[in-house]
Amino acid sequence: NAGVTQTPKFRILKIGQSMTLQCTQDMNHNYMYWYRQDPGMGLKLIYYSVGAGITDKGEVPNGYNVSRSTTEDFPLRLELAAPSQTSVYFCASSYQAGTGTENSYNSPLHFGNGTRLTVT
Amino acid sequence: AQSVAQPEDQVNVAEGNPLTVKCTYSVSGNPYLFWYVQYPNRGLQFLLKYITGDNLVKGSYGFEAEFNKSQTSFHLKKPSALVSDSALYFCAVRPTTSGTYKYIFGTGTRLKVLA
Repeated sequence: NAGVTQTPKFRILKIGQSMTLQCTQDMNHNYMYWYRQDPGMGLKLIYYSVGAGITDKGEVPNGYNVSRSTTEDFPLRLELAAPSQTSVYFCASSYQAGTGTENSYNSPLHFGNGTRLTVT
Repeated sequence: AQSVAQPEDQVNVAEGNPLTVKCTYSVSGNPYLFWYVQYPNRGLQFLLKYITGDNLVKGSYGFEAEFNKSQTSFHLKKPSALVSDSALYFCAVRPTTSGTYKYIFGTGTRLKVLA
């Protein structure tokens, strides 16, 4: 299994540009998450999804959009990039229903290796 | 408000000595507790979790964690530190309230193991 794959690894955007951060997982996980990590601030949840077609806002959703048309993919869209969106973005997934060994609460998160985004 | 605290931004320990990285939480009910490790330019990796039962949980790479319900703490420990353990460590809590899907993360503790 590749696990959680994020692309691109690095990106520089100009203010006002748009881009999509890609995330795909091959573990058949139901839940997927987008976090941003700023130095000394830990992880902030942007959006999450509990299944295909279902998404919801996290702590810091402004300036971002998501969609979940398949179980595997959970892209994050930045429409009008701002310097405040300079950060490292992590996608994560958890919980495969029906496995019997874990439930949706105690299934650990599996993270991708992140996208480092700079907006100038 | 629900929260997770990691009171130390950085912990320094000599190689071969025991290490402790502290975590306390303020979450109602009986949440599940996790530790993750982050190496440079990588995503977080799962180390261990507490669900129920024995208060001492064993995980990957020789790490263990001690759950204390009365102190609402979940400290990460290792009997003998290695230089390769140097990394950023995150404590996370998963509330078990119905309809809650979010994990609450601490701000991280940087562990530096000195040769």
